[in-house]
Amino acid sequence: TQLLEQSPQFLSIQEGENLTVYCNSSSVFSSLQWYRQEPGEGPVLLVTVVTGGEVKKLKRLTFQFGDARKDSSLHITAAQPGDTGLYLCAGVPMDSNYQLIWGAGTKLIIKP
Amino acid sequence: DVKVTQSSRYLVKRTGEKVFLECVQDMDHENMFWYRQDPGLGLRLIYFSYDVKMKEKGDIPEGYSVSREKKERFSLILESASTNQTSMYLCASSSLIGVGEQFFGPGTRLTVL
Repeated sequence: TQLLEQSPQFLSIQEGENLTVYCNSSSVFSSLQWYRQEPGEGPVLLVTVVTGGEVKKLKRLTFQFGDARKDSSLHITAAQPGDTGLYLCAGVPMDSNYQLIWGAGTKLIIKP
Repeated sequence: DVKVTQSSRYLVKRTGEKVFLECVQDMDHENMFWYRQDPGLGLRLIYFSYDVKMKEKGDIPEGYSVSREKKERFSLILESASTNQTSMYLCASSSLIGVGEQFFGPGTRLTVL
């Protein structure tokens, strides 16, 4: 079974702090996606990373794909209450032709 | 504005009832998906469809069936609802399987009593 493990499962911090959440696997992925899900809504894609070592930035969010393509991280600088949500990673394993594997998510709460 | 809509936001059914969850997308996507989302378990794929009248089982198809008679519509059917099917059900569509972005509906929170 190919798993994507996300850590931490839950994180509550003050506005203005920095944080990093992780998405790890023992399997190699051809690509990895990060989604954010707000309460009462479906997940929305933030970024897709496809190259080992790739770094992508989306305003205060920095996404990195590990060199070996087995892990990824999301770093948020100066977190704001609007960043609150469930962050999900999802990837396509190298030996799969289509199916996304999903992590369980990190629930992030940013307190004003 | 692209959209995936689901027929109900909240649904309460009794054990043994037949339940229909409908999903419609307006993006002309070939691929559509049904997931269930439970705390701590993430999204688990129930079924997906890559074309009209085509369907493939996902990781947890037991107790569910699907129907795709038109490209824009993908229905999930619970033939005889059970309490362990109480969950959030999410529908998604994409133009590419795998690496393509999946667009999600707002979800249906189903409670089976």
